[in-house]
Amino acid sequence: QVQLQESGPGLVKPSETLSLTCTVSGYSISGGYFWGWVRQPPGKGLEWIGFIYHDGTTYHNPSLKNRVTISVDTSKDQFSLQLKSVTAADTAVYYCAKTLTTVARGYFDYWGQGILVTVSS
Amino acid sequence: IVLTQSPGTLSLSPGERATLSCRASQSVSNNYLGWYQQRPGQAPRLLIYGAYSRNTGVPDRFSGSGSGTDFTLTISRLEPEDFAVYYCQHYGSSLTFGGGTKVEIK
Repeated sequence: QVQLQESGPGLVKPSETLSLTCTVSGYSISGGYFWGWVRQPPGKGLEWIGFIYHDGTTYHNPSLKNRVTISVDTSKDQFSLQLKSVTAADTAVYYCAKTLTTVARGYFDYWGQGILVTVSS
Repeated sequence: IVLTQSPGTLSLSPGERATLSCRASQSVSNNYLGWYQQRPGQAPRLLIYGAYSRNTGVPDRFSGSGSGTDFTLTISRLEPEDFAVYYCQHYGSSLTFGGGTKVEIK
């Protein structure tokens, strides 16, 4: 059974960088699939941030422009998110997730429990 | 592609049939359309992918249909655990979610 767990600070100051890590268990990231991030502002809908393959290939939401960096550490079965220059609008529950297949990378079939990140001074 | 879900809220009783709509601003190629269920305080759960294929473990009371720009999620008989928010989602040049439909107990 694949399990994902987000970790990182729950509070980030405006203009700083949000950094989160997702640890995968029950499956080796090197085995395939894309691994992604989705966020959800409190009381609102879902927004895709991006995803990464074990070889480092990434795709991300153009609306987040150049603020997003997604990286992978296959030796630790972890992937990470960095979001630069955060504002209050980046306050959200951040989920990490696994894609259904490598080809059907647009669907997420396993999710972490989510981590609330608040941007505030 | 922008996904518009309707209605915003659906008030129904257990045992009733739920019909949720998702309309795309452009035609969805290859029926690349999924549906998720999200219960309060939980992560989303993939129900349907490819417009009509049920994910592993999803009860057969959930069914997806549609093509082009109009897609539907149908729950044939609502169980108590089905009262939740449902999102449609598309992946093409980007990955987008609809605004959600809340299915609440009448």
